[in-house]
Amino acid sequence: DSGVTQTPKHLITATGQRVTLRCSPRSGDLSVYWYQQSLDQGLQFLIQYYNGEERAKGNILERFSAQQFPDLHSELNLSSLELGDSALYFCASGRDRGNSPLHFGNGTRLTVT
Amino acid sequence: GQQLNQSPQSMFIQEGEDVSMNCTSSSIFNTWLWYKQDPGEGPVLLIALYKAGELTSNGRLTAQFGITRKDSFLNISASIPSDVGIYFCAGHTNAGKSTFGDGTTLTVKP
Repeated sequence: DSGVTQTPKHLITATGQRVTLRCSPRSGDLSVYWYQQSLDQGLQFLIQYYNGEERAKGNILERFSAQQFPDLHSELNLSSLELGDSALYFCASGRDRGNSPLHFGNGTRLTVT
Repeated sequence: GQQLNQSPQSMFIQEGEDVSMNCTSSSIFNTWLWYKQDPGEGPVLLIALYKAGELTSNGRLTAQFGITRKDSFLNISASIPSDVGIYFCAGHTNAGKSTFGDGTTLTVKP
């Protein structure tokens, strides 16, 4: 158990809809990272938050947004969903801003129909 | 942006064989990490490397942080069936950017 909790585990929704994925980091970790993993592909970095503030941005679409709350949990909002958004979305947490190892949750599997 | 080239993309080996995979980049990283992902789960950290030239072992796994800070390798000795999975390298910068390789899928035949 990594200590990182992601909910829900599975999400099935229709194109055009909006969903929110939730992540609770490991106790004591201040950074939260979001990754997208499409079928048989690698991990695409979306965005990182550190102690409530956006720290680094990757290949995140404008239709996607995230935030980290004062209690350090984070939410990833995906809107105007398209079929190609179907993927595993992982949250990871780290102790500090950038160099510490990441601990991953078990992901949310999003299926857009 | 920074990219990592991870190779090989996949490996099919016999149980008991040694495995070697590596990652290279045109950019310098401050930290190199190796993760393993089992089906349906999130990646799990195997080894973290913080200094150029550092060689670290974790059981049958050995990884090295290249002296140029642009590459790293992971070796698995005497492979066993439970080594099956996808292995990812990742490079971190002090700016908070983390970049993952595309993964090496390992299949071990009993």
